[in-house]
Amino acid sequence: DGGITQSPKYLFRKEGQNVTLSCEQNLNHDAMYWYRQDPGQGLRLIYYSQIVNDFQKGDIAEGYSVSREKKESFPLTVTSAQKNPTAFYLCASRPGVLEKLFFGSGTQLSVL
Amino acid sequence: GQQLNQSPQSMFIQEGEDVSMNCTSSSIFNTWLWYKQDPGEGPVLLIALYKAGELTSNGRLTAQFGITRKDSFLNISASIPSDVGIYFCAGPNYGQNFVFGPGTRLSVLP
Repeated sequence: DGGITQSPKYLFRKEGQNVTLSCEQNLNHDAMYWYRQDPGQGLRLIYYSQIVNDFQKGDIAEGYSVSREKKESFPLTVTSAQKNPTAFYLCASRPGVLEKLFFGSGTQLSVL
Repeated sequence: GQQLNQSPQSMFIQEGEDVSMNCTSSSIFNTWLWYKQDPGEGPVLLIALYKAGELTSNGRLTAQFGITRKDSFLNISASIPSDVGIYFCAGPNYGQNFVFGPGTRLSVLP
């Protein structure tokens, strides 16, 4: 089946640790996105990428890093510099300009 | 940047009732997207609107693109328990990404 796969579903981070959230899509979409969602709030853009080997910061990029080495993969690293990482992280992709945005099922990150 | 507002923030309705919610912006949008999110899951696209005045249905859901291009409306007819969730509107931001509203949380009482 085609879709966007995020893993793991639940992730725990220790103090000072970097963790990486996986996002893979087999939809052949050009653009991919990472959003952060806090309880009871909307979605805030962390990073996005329109093509391989290129990405742009969103509204809340500090403490996060990404890579786009393959069209189908857009991993997000939550670094130790992100002091409040507990949130629900959503990956999304879009086939082209002004096309609809499709989401994965999310990763819940919590701090131990 | 562009911001979207949604109202109401939350609503409690009886099963079988109709629901109306809206999304407004201070600037013009040329696309409106409506999503539903279940707890612990990613948002699912319900309806996409591309023209001012457009009215589009998806089952019991109907959405309209406001003629001023600064608002959009979502109606749900004859609500059922599985309609529970958070409904988000979204529109294209400057550049190649989207801005989302804060959501309307819907609860359906049996």
